[in-house]
Amino acid sequence: DAGITQSPRYKITETGRQVTLMCHQTWSHSYMFWYRQDLGHGLRLIYYSAAADITDKGEVPDGYVVSRSKTENFPLTLESATRSQTSVYFCASKEAETQYFGPGTRLLVL
Amino acid sequence: AQSVTQPDIHITVSEGASLELRCNYSYGATPYLFWYVQSPGQGLQLLLKYFSGDTLVQGIKGFEAEFKRSQSSFNLRKPSVHWSDAAEYFCAVVYSNTGKLIFGQGTTLQVKP
Repeated sequence: DAGITQSPRYKITETGRQVTLMCHQTWSHSYMFWYRQDLGHGLRLIYYSAAADITDKGEVPDGYVVSRSKTENFPLTLESATRSQTSVYFCASKEAETQYFGPGTRLLVL
Repeated sequence: AQSVTQPDIHITVSEGASLELRCNYSYGATPYLFWYVQSPGQGLQLLLKYFSGDTLVQGIKGFEAEFKRSQSSFNLRKPSVHWSDAAEYFCAVVYSNTGKLIFGQGTTLQVKP
């Protein structure tokens, strides 16, 4: 099916470990985004990408790394996970001004 | 600063009753307005959007919203709520001069049988 998929859907890891969250879209949208959703903070933009090999920081980029070697993929890496990065992570892609969201990844850092 | 306000954090309505969720955005460049719904454990699904034209827009699942520039509002309505509408609803805006999507804090809808 066309759309945005995220994997894994659930992840438990330990402090200090590296974790990569995957995002794949089948629409060939140029723009892609990563958000985190936390109680009391709503949705906050971590990173975004305007095209392959073009990425930029959002509101809360510290502790995260992104890459975009192909238009359809936009992985998010936590290089050394911390408990404060326990959250639900959403990937999105954009057509015109409309963003479409993936199902999310629930990450627990112990 | 550009912002979106959803004044109601939590709303409870009876099944079959009408619903209105409020959304106000800060005045600024031309806004593009959205309503998303998030069911528990799920992602955000686009309900409807307003870019220009007719200020009353129809969306999926029987929802509609009305853009009122004079009130800087984009309220979401549904004539008759179903139990499956229980979810969190987010209003969001993109301002034409920044392209950034700004979310409101969300309104949680509970539906009583």
